[in-house]
Amino acid sequence: GAVVSQHPSRVICKSGTSVKIECRSLDFQATTMFWYRQFPKKSLMLMATSNEGSKATYEQGVEKDKFLINHASLTLSTLTVTSAHPEDSSFYICSARVPDRGHETQYFGPGTRLLVL
Amino acid sequence: GQQVMQIPQYQHVQEGEDFTTYCNSSTTLSNIQWYKQRPGGHPVFLIQLVKSGEVKKQKRLTFQFGEAKKNSSLHITATQTTDVGTYFCAGSGWARGKLQFGAGTQVVVTP
Repeated sequence: GAVVSQHPSRVICKSGTSVKIECRSLDFQATTMFWYRQFPKKSLMLMATSNEGSKATYEQGVEKDKFLINHASLTLSTLTVTSAHPEDSSFYICSARVPDRGHETQYFGPGTRLLVL
Repeated sequence: GQQVMQIPQYQHVQEGEDFTTYCNSSTTLSNIQWYKQRPGGHPVFLIQLVKSGEVKKQKRLTFQFGEAKKNSSLHITATQTTDVGTYFCAGSGWARGKLQFGAGTQVVVTP
């Protein structure tokens, strides 16, 4: 159990376009999902916390108008990178929190590699 | 702010040897989690430690949580080539469910 999928796995887009990334919990309901960004050989940087039915909470320094997050159902959160630029190229990973006796763990999706030309 | 530090950042191990990676938090944690990320892959949950002084084992992997709940370690015995990857610790405790990841320890195993 606790499978998280992400789509697409890879995307190449032109500068100025918008890209939508989907994160789904396949076999459980996730009231909270997280979006991370990872640069090559670096750690995961939390971008925002996505809460079902309410606004996302963004980490300091992350532009909410640049990275739009929608969590419309208990199994789906989307991240839209608007007006993408080459510096937005990165590995974006979502995770979903799995309640486990009050000490909640996160399961990660396979990630989306974004390349902006 | 709260920080999770992890050392070493890089570990080159001969197959069959043991090694340990360490994780330290600047504040007391509610729990700590360990993840493994293979090259080109995504983080995969390994284990969660909750109790002070807790020790858990998974085959050749031994995880410890410090008495003060501010540090943790992962010890791997008899390293195999399948152990290649980056091991991240992630601390939780400041905001419900949020994880602060360490920088990771990249492990390279030579036969």
